[in-house]
Order: sequence, then C-alpha cells, then structure tokens
Amino acid sequence: DGGITQSPKYLFRKEGQNVTLSCEQNLNHDAMYWYRQDPGQGLRLIYYSQIVNDFQKGDIAEGYSVSREKKESFPLTVTSAQKNPTAFYLCASSRQPDSFTQYFGPGTRLTVL
Amino acid sequence: AQKITQTQPGMFVQEKEAVTLDCTYDTSDQSYGLFWYKQPSSGEMIFLIYQGSYDEQNATEGRYSLNFQKARKSANLVISASQLGDSAMYFCAMRPYNNAGNMLTFGGGTRLMVKP
Repeated sequence: DGGITQSPKYLFRKEGQNVTLSCEQNLNHDAMYWYRQDPGQGLRLIYYSQIVNDFQKGDIAEGYSVSREKKESFPLTVTSAQKNPTAFYLCASSRQPDSFTQYFGPGTRLTVL
Repeated sequence: AQKITQTQPGMFVQEKEAVTLDCTYDTSDQSYGLFWYKQPSSGEMIFLIYQGSYDEQNATEGRYSLNFQKARKSANLVISASQLGDSAMYFCAMRPYNNAGNMLTFGGGTRLMVKP
C-alpha cells in the first residue's frame, strides 16, 4: 500500500539529547514537509523540501535540522537547541511542489523529560 | 501573510443532523486554495476537501461540502448526516497559488463531537 510512515509513534528523550524522527513515503512524491502541533492548536511548518538535496526553512525552523538525501525519506532532527521540543510532529508530502493537496503521515508524539 | 480563523473551539451535533464548521481567512493574494482536514484522536491528518479561489461552484465530496463566499473570505465546511465517526478535530487551511513552497497556513481547529 502507498502511504507515509512515521516512526516511532511515541518517543521519549531526556532534555539535552538530540533525537531524529523518521518520515518515509512510497508515493513517489517530490515534495515533503514537517509540521509541529502543540495541544489544542493548528499545525506550524518547520521545514519543507521540494526536491532531493534541497530544503527550506518554514516558520519555526530554529532548533531543528533536516536532510533529503533520498526522494522517499525526509528525517527531522530535534536538537538540544529547541527550547520546547515536546509536541506532536507530522510529516506530509505532495506529488509536486505546486500540487495543492498534501497527504500526512500518522505523526510522532515526542516527549522530552 | 495569510491568516486562518476558526472561531468555534468545540461543537456538538446530533447524529444524522447536518453541521457547519466556520472558517474565515485573510490574504492579499488573488489566487489561492482552501482546504479542510480531519484529525481523529489517532493524530493523522486526513484530507477532506479542496476549493480553489477561482472555482465558481462550491466543492463537494460525499457528505462534505464547502460553502465558499469569496467576498466575505469565508470557507465553511458543511457535514451532512453526521455520523459518530465524524467526531474529531477539523482544520481549515489555505495556500496561495504563487507560493512555490506549497506552504499551508492552518487555523486553530474546531473539535466536533457527534452525539448518539
């Protein structure tokens, strides 16, 4: 089945540790995105990538880093510089950068202790 | 910059009745797309419906329809014949056509609860 997978679903880390969230898609989509969602709020864009080996900062990129070495993979690293990393993280993709519809993965809930 | 406002933090609806979820937006762009997503308790965002700013007819997808009033900058979601499985968070979002990064701006969401 085609889709977007994110792993793990729940992640716990100690304060000060870097952590990498996985996002893989087999939809052959060119563009991929990372969003952050805090309780009771909408989504905010962290980073996006329109093609392999290229990515751009979104609205809240500070404290995060990404890579796009393969079309199907777009991992997000939450660094120790991120002040409030506890949140729900959603990955999305779209067929092309100018395609309107983004499709989302199931999300990873990160809790920093 | 774009802004999406959803003024209803939570709503109740009786099963089998219709419900309207409000969404207003603010943008200086002339061409844009409007979206609605459903987020059940599992967390995944499910795409429901899309409306282009130049579309003359309101979009419909099964039990979902979008009441688009461009002059009022509103894009309300109408769910007909509510089902218990419709209980979820609903988010309105928009994106300008000229935004090469395809960046969506989301509203704060409305929690819909369907009563049996």
